[in-house]
Amino acid sequence: GAGVSQTPSNKVTEKGKYVELRCDPISGHTALYWYRQSLGQGPEFLIYFQGTGAADDSGLPNDRFFAVRPEGSVSTLKIQRTERGDSAVYLCASSLDKGVKQFFGPGTRLTVL
Amino acid sequence: SQQGEEDPQALSIQEGENATMNCSYKTSINNLQWYRQNSGRGLVHLILIRSNEREKHSGRLRVTLDTSKKSSSLLITASRAADTASYFCATANSGGSNYKLTFGKGTLLTVNP
Repeated sequence: GAGVSQTPSNKVTEKGKYVELRCDPISGHTALYWYRQSLGQGPEFLIYFQGTGAADDSGLPNDRFFAVRPEGSVSTLKIQRTERGDSAVYLCASSLDKGVKQFFGPGTRLTVL
Repeated sequence: SQQGEEDPQALSIQEGENATMNCSYKTSINNLQWYRQNSGRGLVHLILIRSNEREKHSGRLRVTLDTSKKSSSLLITASRAADTASYFCATANSGGSNYKLTFGKGTLLTVNP
């Protein structure tokens, strides 16, 4: 079946703008995660959804970052007033439940000029 | 914050040779997972080993886990040029937050034809 998909694959924006990044998880996966990966680093956890609710958003760096998953499937990561330091690859993953292997999408490369 | 630390940071070998990568971590874990990443984009899950397991095999991959030393190793036997990628270990903590993966910085493996 289809894997995790993310759109757009690349996003270039200007400092101060608002961006939305979309994630379509594998069908039937109740758990969804967002990670951020900076150049030369491993991914870092941002937020975890179980169903529609954000069960753990402790990894979001500040209140400019927000994520939703209104129907328990597709998720959108929203970044307000983007800064150059937000430039990174944003990875989405899903799993059947928590504590099991996670399936990652191809990521969205965000560049803030 | 990064928990796992992979060693070495970079490894270059000839096709047919074996490649060994190590990972150390700091806290009690529920499981440890190894992922492969090509060209800085999506991660591919390779293998998951639980804290009560000591060794696991999957095809040409062999993973060991030593919880007393808080370390793991990934062995790829009979390497191929297609194995060229970055390899990350990721730990899931024991307890209620076992959904949150903490990644190391990765080992860049180059397999020369």
